[in-house]
This record gives sequence, structure tokens and C-alpha cells, in this order.
Amino acid sequence: KQEVTQIPAALSVPEGENLVLNCSFTDSAIYNLQWFRQDPGKGLTSLLLIQSSQREQTSGRLNASLDKSSGRSTLYIAASQPGDSATYLCALKGGNKLVFGAGTILRVKS
Amino acid sequence: NAGVTQTPKFQVLKTGQSMTLQCAQDMNHEYMSWYRQDPGMGLRLIHYSVGAGITDQGEVPNGYNVSRSTTEDFPLRLLSAAPSQTSVYFCASSYSMSQAVYGYTFGSGTRLTVV
Repeated sequence: KQEVTQIPAALSVPEGENLVLNCSFTDSAIYNLQWFRQDPGKGLTSLLLIQSSQREQTSGRLNASLDKSSGRSTLYIAASQPGDSATYLCALKGGNKLVFGAGTILRVKS
Repeated sequence: NAGVTQTPKFQVLKTGQSMTLQCAQDMNHEYMSWYRQDPGMGLRLIHYSVGAGITDQGEVPNGYNVSRSTTEDFPLRLLSAAPSQTSVYFCASSYSMSQAVYGYTFGSGTRLTVV
């Protein structure tokens, strides 16, 4: 059974810092990994998708990496802004569903 | 705008009442699914469908029914609401359940309270 762990559970940083969110998983038999953002009371917005054959994907200030051999993915956010404050979820696609981590709650202070 | 549309956004039910949560997508996605999100439990799969006329159970299907008569729509029915079904419900869709190139698109959610 796939288990997904996100560390840290919560993170508070001053504006402008570069930061890394971590996602680890137990089963490397996945199709892809997706990072989502969720604002309070809102739905999930897809940030980046990394196919199982890929190592990383970039979008603007975001960079996500995938290392299946070690069961890890990281989301790197450069030059953080208060608008980046949200919960970040990683989700692994395998079988008939996505398996989600519990998320990292990020607060960027101005 | 192309995407996944859920209605209603908020609903309060009394124990024992029934209702249907609506989900529609206009992206011609084969795969549609329902998740519920609870504090401390994360997102859990309720039911899913790989195409019109085909549905299957997820992790937590009890108390819920689904049907998929068209590609676009995937309603979730609560047969007899219970307080344990108080949750936020998300509908998600994808072109394919198994191809790596396709991700999931989520609706904005339905916040359901059962009293």
C-alpha cells in the first residue's frame, strides 16, 4: 500500500527566502507525481506534474524533482512571496487513484 | 472556461435526508472520481469511473452511490445522510487513469454539513 509523507507539516518563512518542501513515498510503481496548492476553503490547483520517466519540471519560481529510486520528491520555491501562503500537497498517481500526502502548510511573512 | 464544475458549493442536511452532489467536466475526460477531505485524514477516494456506464468503488464508498450516464457528468448521491458524512467533497477528472502524461483536474469542492 502506497504511503506518502510530507515534511515539514508546517513552515513559516520571511518573504524572499528560497524554500524546499519534501514528499516521500513507499512504492515507486507510479505513473506520475503531481504537486497541488490549496488555499483555505478552496479547491486544489495543479502546480506541476512530473511523469515517472522524468527527473524534474519547472514553472516560473517553482521547480519539482522526482527520484523514484529513493522514493522522494521536492518542491523548490524561489524568492517566496506572501501570496505563496497556502497548503501544498503532493499526490502520486498509481492504480485507480491519487494517493495524497497530508500537506505542508506554508506561511510567508511580509 | 474548461474545467470541473461542482454544485452546490455549500449544503446543510438533516440526518436521514438524501441529496445529489453534481459534477460536470467539459474536457472530454474519460476518468472521473469523487474524494472527500477531512481534517487529519487527507483526501480519500469514494468512487470513480473510467467511462460512461462504468463505475467502481474507492476506499470509502459506504453511504454513497454514483452513476455515469454521460462522459461529462458524474453525480454523487448520499442515500441517507449521517453526521459522519460531514466533509468537503471534491470531484476530479483526467484523460486517462494510467497514462503518465495526464494529471488530474479538481473542482472547487462542496462543503457539506449534516446535522
